[in-house]
Amino acid sequence: QKEVEQDPGPLSVPEGAIVSLNCTYSNSAFQYFMWYRQYSRKGPELLMYTYSSGNKEDGRFTAQVDKSSKYISLFIRDSQPSDSATYLCAMSAIKAAGNKLTFGGGTRVLVKP
Amino acid sequence: DTEVTQTPKHLVMGMTNKKSLKCEQHMGHRAMYWYKQKAKKPPELMFVYSYEKLSINESVPSRFSPECPNSSLLNLHLHALQPEDSALYLCASSRTGLAGANTGELFFGEGSRLTVL
Repeated sequence: QKEVEQDPGPLSVPEGAIVSLNCTYSNSAFQYFMWYRQYSRKGPELLMYTYSSGNKEDGRFTAQVDKSSKYISLFIRDSQPSDSATYLCAMSAIKAAGNKLTFGGGTRVLVKP
Repeated sequence: DTEVTQTPKHLVMGMTNKKSLKCEQHMGHRAMYWYKQKAKKPPELMFVYSYEKLSINESVPSRFSPECPNSSLLNLHLHALQPEDSALYLCASSRTGLAGANTGELFFGEGSRLTVL
């Protein structure tokens, strides 16, 4: 079993729909949770960062962390074709020697006009 | 635009060549990273430098040699690579707090796409 599980997709939605992404994990030591967006042949771009449990909202993006269930989510409201990308969840334990992220496998999202 | 700059963006090299990848950041971050990413896979950690010292080496073959000349620069020296080393090489940086404890998010560069013939 992988330490972080993420559905590879592709997840296809019509423009304007809500995109719902999630990851499950097994390591209870994880404290930092991130979502990255990666366009084809580009580096990952940090979208959301959450420390410990709770919700965080930034524009059209909402990140949720439920540590009791070891489950994190990212919601994208009013999705646009420019949101079409691969979304990677990532997490790390506190006080690692440098931030050793553990990534999910990524979910490919397609937003159709 | 990313504040982590990587050069070159593309590199083609033969198995006997010696080349280097370069990375620069001016965000004052004291931790820098090299990741390798194959197509349709997540990034895989190779090396971490914290306060210019190598803190993590993920059992990377010696044909990859990292170097951190100062807090803003990170190099990856390449020698005698194999075709299976062809990948996107990503540099990243992060803030570190007191006693080197990490403070979370990594910021990635655009990557250097390497092809080994």
